[in-house]
Amino acid sequence: DQQVKQNSPSLSVQEGRISILNCDYTNSMFDYFLWYKKYPAEGPTFLISISSIKDKNEDGRFTVFLNKSAKHLSLHIVPSQPGDSAVYFCAASDRGSTLGRLYFGRGTQLTVWP
Amino acid sequence: DAGVIQSPRHEVTEMGQEVTLRCKPISGHDYLFWYRQTMMRGLELLIYFNNNVPIDDSGMPEDRFSAKMPNASFSTLKIQPSEPRDSAVYFCASSFIRGASYEQYFGPGTRLTVT
Repeated sequence: DQQVKQNSPSLSVQEGRISILNCDYTNSMFDYFLWYKKYPAEGPTFLISISSIKDKNEDGRFTVFLNKSAKHLSLHIVPSQPGDSAVYFCAASDRGSTLGRLYFGRGTQLTVWP
Repeated sequence: DAGVIQSPRHEVTEMGQEVTLRCKPISGHDYLFWYRQTMMRGLELLIYFNNNVPIDDSGMPEDRFSAKMPNASFSTLKIQPSEPRDSAVYFCASSFIRGASYEQYFGPGTRLTVT
């Protein structure tokens, strides 16, 4: 059963606008969340993370928001650039019981057009 | 650091043949993960090791799959015999759990095609 879900397989955004990628999870024990970016023919690369004690984490153009009550997180990219076009994976971890393991969503293909 | 190294990058084999995928984790990392990516199932965890010991192999699809980690700098994923449905991209990742940091670092993947 998929514990981390990315319900939008694709998203298309114009350059300069905001991209919002969404992720839902079902396991209330998850306490650490990450976003990965993947280009074709490459492995996923870590982008940004957030602990469950926070509701927002920002790194340059990338901001992750966490809503624990809704079991929902989102990644905002502002402004979007063509180089951001990639597959974005949401991942979560329950550090208390499954040390080291990450649970991944199926990914969202972001396309940023000029 | 060179990052996680995987070989081969591409593998084409015939059904029934043995396939061995190789991984060298980042030096100093104590966790190693094998994933498989397909269109149908996304990125699924097959098995992971901590300090060379398998922790969870529940994702290994069947007995045809086996993985070993003989030392801290090398791991293999073997498929014997291979089948067309094993065609996928296989990723190896490693991590070093410290404090609140849980990032995994992925290799470039091995694209396996079984005909």
